[in-house]
Amino acid sequence: DSGVTQTPKHLITATGQRVTLRCSPRSGDLSVYWYQQSLDQGLQFLIQYYNGEERAKGNILERFSAQQFPDLHSELNLSSLELGDSALYFCASSVGSGGWYEQYFGPGTRLTVT
Amino acid sequence: AQSVTQLDSQVPVFEEAPVELRCNYSSSVSVYLFWYVQYPNQGLQLLLKYLSGSTLVKSINGFEAEFNKSQTSFHLRKPSVHISDTAEYFCAVTRGGSNYKLTFGKGTLLTVNP
Repeated sequence: DSGVTQTPKHLITATGQRVTLRCSPRSGDLSVYWYQQSLDQGLQFLIQYYNGEERAKGNILERFSAQQFPDLHSELNLSSLELGDSALYFCASSVGSGGWYEQYFGPGTRLTVT
Repeated sequence: AQSVTQLDSQVPVFEEAPVELRCNYSSSVSVYLFWYVQYPNQGLQLLLKYLSGSTLVKSINGFEAEFNKSQTSFHLRKPSVHISDTAEYFCAVTRGGSNYKLTFGKGTLLTVNP
């Protein structure tokens, strides 16, 4: 158990809908990262927050947005969903914001868009 | 920009055989290198990392990796594998300084057969 929790574990929704994925980092970690894992694209970095502020942005679509709240939990919002958004979404956390810090991954949220 | 190439998408081996999972990276600046492991239906876990110092780094379960700057490689090795090592292994790279993005390779599925 990494100490990172993600809810829900599974999510099935229809095209055009909007969903929110939630992540609670390990106690004491200030950085939260979101990743998308799919068979064709592999593991893609989406976005990083550190202590409530956006720190780095990767291949995140404009239809996706994220935020980190004062209690440090984070939410990833996915809107106007398309079939291609079906993937496993991971949240990770680390104590600091530098790349050398170990990232602890949650168990993931499996999103299926039908 | 940085990138990671894992040359083998699948590596089948027999139990107690040695294994090498290959990883090459490209970056024009100093890097930090990581190997993460993903067991079936789980999130990623850090296996080992190279930040600086000795170019040979080891994990607690018998894996080791050697940073080779001239060949821009960070291959993962284990002299004798177990059935329980069956998993997907991801090589990742990040730059030092202000770029915190962790770039992952596409992964190598290691299957250990009895």
